[in-house]
Amino acid sequence: KNQVEQSPQSLIILEGKNCTLQCNYTVSPFSNLRWYKQDTGRGPVSLTIMTFSENTKSNGRYTATLDADTKQSSLHITASQLSDSASYICVVSDRGSTLGRLYFGRGTQLTVWP
Amino acid sequence: EADIYQTPRYLVIGTGKKITLECSQTMGHDKMYWYQQDPGMELHLIHYSYGVNSTEKGDLSSESTVSRIRTEHFPLTLESARPSHTSQYLCASSEKGSGANVLTFGAGSRLTVL
Repeated sequence: KNQVEQSPQSLIILEGKNCTLQCNYTVSPFSNLRWYKQDTGRGPVSLTIMTFSENTKSNGRYTATLDADTKQSSLHITASQLSDSASYICVVSDRGSTLGRLYFGRGTQLTVWP
Repeated sequence: EADIYQTPRYLVIGTGKKITLECSQTMGHDKMYWYQQDPGMELHLIHYSYGVNSTEKGDLSSESTVSRIRTEHFPLTLESARPSHTSQYLCASSEKGSGANVLTFGAGSRLTVL
């Protein structure tokens, strides 16, 4: 069973609307959680990274939240644009060092329609 | 723009052929990785390297091999390609001492074996 579960699997929204993507994890111990954006045919690009002590972090129109007690994270996209169409991947690390293992979610495929 | 380059971006090849996927990074990163990604699925680590002359197998068993003769170069080789090898292969790197999931990804190599 994957230790990082993302929902929904796919999502279609209209341009200008907001949306929230979910990530639940069972990874333990927990070091940090990162959201990546992966455009079709490209490699993932980092959006935010959150450690145990952080519960909110923003990057432009992207805001990530983390609840380490319930082991849940969300990525909120505000005023969506066509360029937001991509897969959003949640990645959890069990160690802060280079010895840490990474656990990948399967991603949420977001499509923004004009 | 990430300074990690993969070639070829797309490759269609017949069964039994030998292929090498190239990966180079100009950031001086010590650690490099190869991931395999199928549509709708999470990334799976197939190989990684801590530095020159260091290579390790990842979580997912793979018939491919890698080498690390130079810091900046981490090629992946399949001696005899099969249809089951059809997938997207992503190369990534990280800086020594950085958090485990501070990865910079290449754009990927999409391999199709007929």
